Amino acid sequence: GNSVTQMEGPVTLSEEAFLTINCTYTATGYPSLFWYVQYPGEGLQLLLKATKADDKGSNKGFEATYRKETTSFHLEKGSVQVSDSAVYFCASTPYNNNDMRFGAGTRLTVKP
Amino acid sequence: EPEVTQTPSHQVTQMGQEVILRCVPISNHLYFYWYRQILGQKVEFLVSFYNNEISEKSEIFDDQFSVERPDGSNFTLKIRSTKLEDSAMYFCASSGALQGQQYFGPGTRLTVT
Repeated sequence: GNSVTQMEGPVTLSEEAFLTINCTYTATGYPSLFWYVQYPGEGLQLLLKATKADDKGSNKGFEATYRKETTSFHLEKGSVQVSDSAVYFCASTPYNNNDMRFGAGTRLTVKP
Repeated sequence: EPEVTQTPSHQVTQMGQEVILRCVPISNHLYFYWYRQILGQKVEFLVSFYNNEISEKSEIFDDQFSVERPDGSNFTLKIRSTKLEDSAMYFCASSGALQGQQYFGPGTRLTVT
C-alpha cells in the first residue's frame, strides 16, 4: 500500500543551522511526493512537491529530491530561521488516485 | 488567491449527537477531500470525492461518516453519532486534477464531550 515514514523528532536547531528531515515512502508504481508545513494554529500549506524520479522540489530555501533508488524524499534547508519553526509533514499520493498519506510529522524548533 | 474555507472553526458537541462540518472548495476544482488530525498525531486521510461520488475512503471512514455536495459550492462531512474519539481537527481540501496539488482549508476543531 501507499505509506510514508518520516523522522519524528522533535528537532531543535540554532538559527542558520543545516536541516535534514528524512522521509521514505512505500508505494506501487510512481507516487507523487509532497512536503507540507503546519505553522502553530494554522492549517496545512504545501511547501514543495515532486511528481517523478529525480525531480527536485524547492521553495523558500527548502529542497527535496525524489530518489527512486532509495525511495526517499528528504527535506533539506541550508540555513534555518526562527520563522521556520513549525511541523513538517511528508506525504504521498499513488499514481492512480488521490488517497494522500501523511507521515507522522516532525516538529522543528529553531532557536535564535 | 483562491482558498478553501471551512465553517465553523470550532464545534463542540455532546457524544451521540450529529455534526455537519462544512467546506467551500476552490470554485473550479473537481476533487474534494476530508482529513482529520487527532491532537498531536498525524494527518489521516478519510475520503475523496469526485463527480458526485466517493472515489476513495480509508478504514476510518465507516458508516458513521458521510459526505455530500449539496449544491455547487459546498462540500460537507457528516458524523451521524459522534464519539469521544472523533475529537480532532478536520481538514477539507480540494484539487483541480487527479494527483494535482491539494489545497487545504484552515480546519474545523471538533470537540466531543
